[in-house]
Amino acid sequence: AQRVTQPEKLLSVFKGAPVELKCNYSYSGSPELFWYVQYSRQRLQLLLRHISRESIKGFTADLNKGETSFHLKKPFAQEEDSAMYYCALSGRFGGTSYGKLTFGQGTILTVHP
Amino acid sequence: EAQVTQNPRYLITVTGKKLTVTCSQNMNHEYMSWYRQDPGLGLRQIYYSMNVEVTDKGDVPEGYKVSRKEKRNFPLILESPSPNQTSLYFCASSFNTGELFFGEGSRLTVL
Repeated sequence: AQRVTQPEKLLSVFKGAPVELKCNYSYSGSPELFWYVQYSRQRLQLLLRHISRESIKGFTADLNKGETSFHLKKPFAQEEDSAMYYCALSGRFGGTSYGKLTFGQGTILTVHP
Repeated sequence: EAQVTQNPRYLITVTGKKLTVTCSQNMNHEYMSWYRQDPGLGLRQIYYSMNVEVTDKGDVPEGYKVSRKEKRNFPLILESPSPNQTSLYFCASSFNTGELFFGEGSRLTVL
């Protein structure tokens, strides 16, 4: 079974401080991993995916297969980063669990001024 | 405007009264899926569909049905709703399971 764990329900930091949202996963094959974000009064939207290796809004996430982690990091948090963040996992295209998307429990990030 | 539309957005119903939550997308996406969001549990996938007439169970399919007769529509059916199905429901679509486009959500209360 595939599983995603986000150990922190709530995370508070001050503006300008580094932030790291943790995500650990369990999956027997080659996973695809994503971070989704939901800002207040907006729809859930993709922030980044590991396969594209992009940096979006200053956030990065590296897939660590040894530690089965995909932590989201930003060196200098901004107030507008306050939101709910979800880590998600899917099987790779062509695999048996492609299409089955598992989300973590979510982390509410609050960035104080 | 490219979007995923869910209806109704809010619904209060009673135990056992069949209901359908509709989901429609105008982006010609092949993949569609349903999720429920509950406090402390995050988003859990109910059903997904890779294409027309192709559906499969997610992590929490019990008590739900879906159908995919047309590419653009993916309704979620609760044949006999129960209070434990009170939740916030999201529909999403994508060309693959990468970038999902989500609807605004449907808040369902079953009394």
